Amino acid sequence: KAGVTQTPRYLIKTRGQQVTLSCSPISGHRSVSWYQQTPGQGLQFLFEYFSETQRNKGNFPGRFSGRQFSNSRSEMNVSTLELGDSALYLCASTGTLNTGELFFGEGSRLTVL
Amino acid sequence: GENVEQHPSTLSVQEGDSAVIKCTYSDSASNYFPWYKQELGKRPQLIIDIRSNVGEKKDQRIAVTLNKTAKHFSLHITETQPEDSAVYFCAASISTGNQFYFGTGTSLTVIP
Repeated sequence: KAGVTQTPRYLIKTRGQQVTLSCSPISGHRSVSWYQQTPGQGLQFLFEYFSETQRNKGNFPGRFSGRQFSNSRSEMNVSTLELGDSALYLCASTGTLNTGELFFGEGSRLTVL
Repeated sequence: GENVEQHPSTLSVQEGDSAVIKCTYSDSASNYFPWYKQELGKRPQLIIDIRSNVGEKKDQRIAVTLNKTAKHFSLHITETQPEDSAVYFCAASISTGNQFYFGTGTSLTVIP
């Protein structure tokens, strides 16, 4: 069974630009969540989608948004990029409704110049 | 919201020795505590988890203990091997959704 796929793997943007990241979950998984990973901060929860609905949202500014499509694929968008947005963005899918194992993708590494 | 603290941030042990990583959480409603291992350049992967109705769980050389009263849980790795070298993250979650609060990670180095 194919794993979680994230695209693009690497990208470089400049301050003020916006970016869209994509995540295809494991087939059959309806829960998709996003995490920001930075050195020293660990993994910080951005948001979770289940059946196209945002169920939970972390403590990030409104510049960070996401959505989920009917096929469970998800996208996250960051607008008006700041230098501090440089990070590895990890997507994870889960096959259960609650407190399930997170299956992570390899991440999208964003560099903001 | 939930706050998970993890210690130590780095840990070096000799091969064959034991390693212990500790985490504390703040929200008494948290009831699920997984541990993830992230090897260099790889994605995090679940290695063991524990739910709040259990005090200890073992899987070969890995064990996790939970003290609900003190709100802390620990990962124990015995007979460490070089392939155990990685960053380990603890996490906590309540039972509504798949939202997890992660610790800041422990970089474990096993010296051959």
